[in-house]
Amino acid sequence: EAEVAQSPRYKITEKSQAVAFWCDPISGHATLYWYRQILGQGPELLVQFQDESVVDDSQLPKDRFSAERLKGVDSTLKIQPAELGDSAMYLCASGLGFGNEQFFGPGTRLTVL
Amino acid sequence: GENVEQHPSTLSVQEGDSAVIKCTYSDSASNYFPWYKQELGKRPQLIIDIRSNVGEKKDQRIAVTLNKTAKHFSLHITETQPEDSAVYFCAASSGGSQGNLIFGKGTKLSVKP
Repeated sequence: EAEVAQSPRYKITEKSQAVAFWCDPISGHATLYWYRQILGQGPELLVQFQDESVVDDSQLPKDRFSAERLKGVDSTLKIQPAELGDSAMYLCASGLGFGNEQFFGPGTRLTVL
Repeated sequence: GENVEQHPSTLSVQEGDSAVIKCTYSDSASNYFPWYKQELGKRPQLIIDIRSNVGEKKDQRIAVTLNKTAKHFSLHITETQPEDSAVYFCAASSGGSQGNLIFGKGTKLSVKP
């Protein structure tokens, strides 16, 4: 069964450093989502792609976060500089679009020291 | 924007009993309501979903009910088993054209043998 892949699974960094996360969605899924999940809470959408285009980044802290999906397949989420409050699980999900199931990857656990 | 409230935050039941988790939403334009199960250290996985043109949906021991007038929906698990122990998240689609999901804060269900 196809799954969403993410790497790395764990990342420890110091504040002010740059970090990057990678996501490979399920083949054929045009819609890709990046979520942030703080411990004890539900996932919060950071950015949504339809193919290579950003369709919603209203909750993305654009002063430090950036995301791209250049060829409409895999995607990278970057944080620069990282802050202590960025410690969280970063989840990637893909799907066929609105009203369809979103399939989540295993996530990247980020710890900022 | 959409706001989703989920109750209770923790729920403990005896094996074989039923469990009910309730969610309310604020945006009357929301029309897609999925439920995700997240086991410790694992990715969220869809267990059931319902659309606004349906009042109830069942899948074996799991059922979801939707009351559009009251803007609330509930997850019902019957004959609970220890493997049902996990965090359950409800979500509602936002009213925007992209229908992004807004998640509740989760319910930690513990099923005691």
